[in-house]
Amino acid sequence: QQQVKQSPQSLIVQKGGISIINCAYENTAFDYFPWYQQFPGKGPALLIAIRPDVSEKKEGRFTISFNKSAKQFSLHIMDSQPGDSATYFCAARDRTNAGKSTFGDGTTLTVKP
Amino acid sequence: DGGITQSPKYLFRKEGQNVTLSCEQNLNHDAMYWYRQDPGQGLRLIYYSQIVNDFQKGDIAEGYSVSREKKESFPLTVTSAQKNPTAFYLCASSIGRAGSGANVLTFGAGSRLTVL
Repeated sequence: QQQVKQSPQSLIVQKGGISIINCAYENTAFDYFPWYQQFPGKGPALLIAIRPDVSEKKEGRFTISFNKSAKQFSLHIMDSQPGDSATYFCAARDRTNAGKSTFGDGTTLTVKP
Repeated sequence: DGGITQSPKYLFRKEGQNVTLSCEQNLNHDAMYWYRQDPGQGLRLIYYSQIVNDFQKGDIAEGYSVSREKKESFPLTVTSAQKNPTAFYLCASSIGRAGSGANVLTFGAGSRLTVL
């Protein structure tokens, strides 16, 4: 059973457009929701994260929207740039399971110039 | 600079051989993790350790072994029992133990293992 479902699997956006990646979860023990960005051949790096008591968090062009009742959260990339082309993973931390993180399957974003 | 160093970056193994992937961190983090990454399957947890001399199996531990003799080191051995070992392996660390607030993961650059 996949605990964090991420969509879409791949996304192509024009430069300057908005990229939106969605994640959904079922486990109510999840208490922290980070997004990681991974470039080819590199390890993932933390991009932005949110706690469930906050509905939105913005850092520059990146925004997380969180809907606790629907158990959904999404990443919005405004004014998408070619340098944003990467794989994005949503994750969720389980406070009842040694704080382990469960990852979505990833979204490969391509921003066309 | 603080971070996680994984080595080797690329590794080739013949079937039936054990190989060990190195992971060293100088972040003074308590917890360390090994993930396996396959195309389209996200990151799957192999083993994790919250403290020296203790480690726990993750979701796909079969065919792998680890040790945590020092806080800064968490090597992963891929044994011959692992039937499909070709993958990208990622080591990560985080500040605290279970229940101690947000545990953001810091990842190494990864090791790509190919079985010939």
